[in-house]
Amino acid sequence: QKEVEQNSGPLSVPEGAIASLNCTYSDRVSQSFFWYRQYSGKSPELIMSIYSNGDKEDGRFTAQLNKASQYVSLLIRDSQPSDSATYLCAVINTGNQFYFGTGTSLTVIP
Amino acid sequence: KAGVTQTPRYLIKTRGQQVTLSCSPISGHRSVSWYQQTPGQGLQFLFEYFSETQRNKGNFPGRFSGRQFSNSRSEMNVSTLELGDSALYLCASSLGGLAGAGDTQYFGPGTRLTVL
Repeated sequence: QKEVEQNSGPLSVPEGAIASLNCTYSDRVSQSFFWYRQYSGKSPELIMSIYSNGDKEDGRFTAQLNKASQYVSLLIRDSQPSDSATYLCAVINTGNQFYFGTGTSLTVIP
Repeated sequence: KAGVTQTPRYLIKTRGQQVTLSCSPISGHRSVSWYQQTPGQGLQFLFEYFSETQRNKGNFPGRFSGRQFSNSRSEMNVSTLELGDSALYLCASSLGGLAGAGDTQYFGPGTRLTVL
């Protein structure tokens, strides 16, 4: 079982819609969760971190964490073509090691 | 605060050669992790260094090695290059403290290695 699993997509949404990205993790004791965005040919950049159950909002982005279900998601409201990228979910496990999912490719159609 | 820097940004080598990549972490960060990324692949973890010691290691052959200096700067070395080693090599720095809560990895721009 992989530490972090994501649906690879591709996910396509029309401009202005809500994009929903999902991630599950295997280490029940994990405490720290992250979403990164990676444009083609570039390095990943941090979008959000979340540590507690519930929602965390930052502008058009909302991260949701459910530790009981070992599930973390990212919602992008009012999606823009500039949001087209690969989104990586990451988790720190009990060994203090970062684990990344394989990423979900998002395309926002104008 | 300056971000993570990597040098060189681009590198072209031939099979059989060796290469050394460098990473300077964000000031105050003591952990440096290295990743390999090839087209269509996710981030493949190579190893992590913390306080000059390798703390975690991925599933790569011994041709891939690294080290960390007392100023937290890290180098990665690949010996006897193969065509399949062509990739984007990313380093990421973090505070690296225990438990991990509140810690975050920040990535450098990467070194794109092409093996001919």
